[in-house]
Amino acid sequence: GAVVSQHPSWVICKSGTSVKIECRSLDFQATTMFWYRQFPKQSLMLMATSNEGSKATYEQGVEKDKFLINHASLTLSTLTVTSAHPEDSSFYICSAGGLAGVVSTGELFFGEGSRLTVL
Amino acid sequence: AQSVSQHNHHVILSEAASLELGCNYSYGGTVNLFWYVQYPGQHLQLLLKYFSGDPLVKGIKGFEAEFIKSKFSFNLRKPSVQWSDTAEYFCAVNGGQTGANNLFFGTGTRLTVIP
Repeated sequence: GAVVSQHPSWVICKSGTSVKIECRSLDFQATTMFWYRQFPKQSLMLMATSNEGSKATYEQGVEKDKFLINHASLTLSTLTVTSAHPEDSSFYICSAGGLAGVVSTGELFFGEGSRLTVL
Repeated sequence: AQSVSQHNHHVILSEAASLELGCNYSYGGTVNLFWYVQYPGQHLQLLLKYFSGDPLVKGIKGFEAEFIKSKFSFNLRKPSVQWSDTAEYFCAVNGGQTGANNLFFGTGTRLTVIP
């Protein structure tokens, strides 16, 4: 199946710094990527949808200036948490779908997740 | 708005016991339904999916799920669980359109299988 890889898998940073998380589709072209956030013992909450070459669409309540998303190519999307604070500590997961050249049936492929801890 | 409910938060079973995890969704239109599994320390993986046709769907590792439209349910079942099935299970639904769409996830059910 299609493989999605995230990097880094975990990161610790100081409050006020910015952190960039990468999401790559390794063996397919992803026209659409999704970023989720997962709190402990809770479900995945969709943060934003990014389409290659256009601005991301953010879900209600997600600060677009704080969570910057860039989808510059068909195989890479990045999430930058700007001026991170301890409450931003969470597990961030990306997924990709919309296989270029293949009729997609809505199946998404998930990355391994990135655990962010802000001190 | 769509929502997905998983009523079992934590299920503990002995090996060889039968499993059924509940999933109910709220959406009036055509839906695609999924079950994902997250093994400890690993990423989400697709167990099975339903788009149309036979409402009884077979997935990997002996799992199956039945779509009951009248009950808005998509329960996951396995006749005999193994210790290796210990994981977090997520039910998800999207709006039934082709192409990549937003998935709405349930809160997940943690399954612990005791050897």
